[in-house]
Amino acid sequence: EADIYQTPRYLVIGTGKKITLECSQTMGHDKMYWYQQDPGMELHLIHYSYGVNSTEKGDLSSESTVSRIRTEHFPLTLESARPSHTSQYLCASSEFSGGMGELFFGEGSRLTVL
Amino acid sequence: AQRVTQPEKLLSVFKGAPVELKCNYSYSGSPELFWYVQYSRQRLQLLLRHISRESIKGFTADLNKGETSFHLKKPFAQEEDSAMYYCALKTGFQKLVFGTGTRLLVSP
Repeated sequence: EADIYQTPRYLVIGTGKKITLECSQTMGHDKMYWYQQDPGMELHLIHYSYGVNSTEKGDLSSESTVSRIRTEHFPLTLESARPSHTSQYLCASSEFSGGMGELFFGEGSRLTVL
Repeated sequence: AQRVTQPEKLLSVFKGAPVELKCNYSYSGSPELFWYVQYSRQRLQLLLRHISRESIKGFTADLNKGETSFHLKKPFAQEEDSAMYYCALKTGFQKLVFGTGTRLLVSP
């Protein structure tokens, strides 16, 4: 079934650890996005990609990095987690079209850094 | 600056009452606006977009360029409409900016 998957759903980790949030989609979409959302706040775009080997920084500066080696995979990495990175991270994908395609979201990864 | 403002964090109404979720935007070009919804324990999903001029689940939204608004309306709220609603604005190429969201609570 075509879907977008995020793992882990929940992660509690200590300061200084390296973490990778996984995002995979089987929808055949070219565009993928990472949004960060703190409780009660708006979603902030932190990274996006138009296709393989394409990555761009979003509107909100983030210490995380992303890669797009395969169309279906768009992992997000934090080399050294800090408490300020505690947040929910939402991955989304969209079909490349002339206009703004519908964003399909994953279930999110809730990260807590102690 | 390109931004979306949703002034209400919470909107509480009774079943059968009219609903209006407010959204104002700031954008220098020709705006393209959307409403996304997140029901309890479900993912964020598209509800409607202004260019489609459609009614989804009884909801409509009209773009008012003079007032820079894109309010979401429904004449008679249902309990199943209870959810978090986000207004979103297309900025740049294939990117969306979201508002802070409004939680709609429909009581029986």
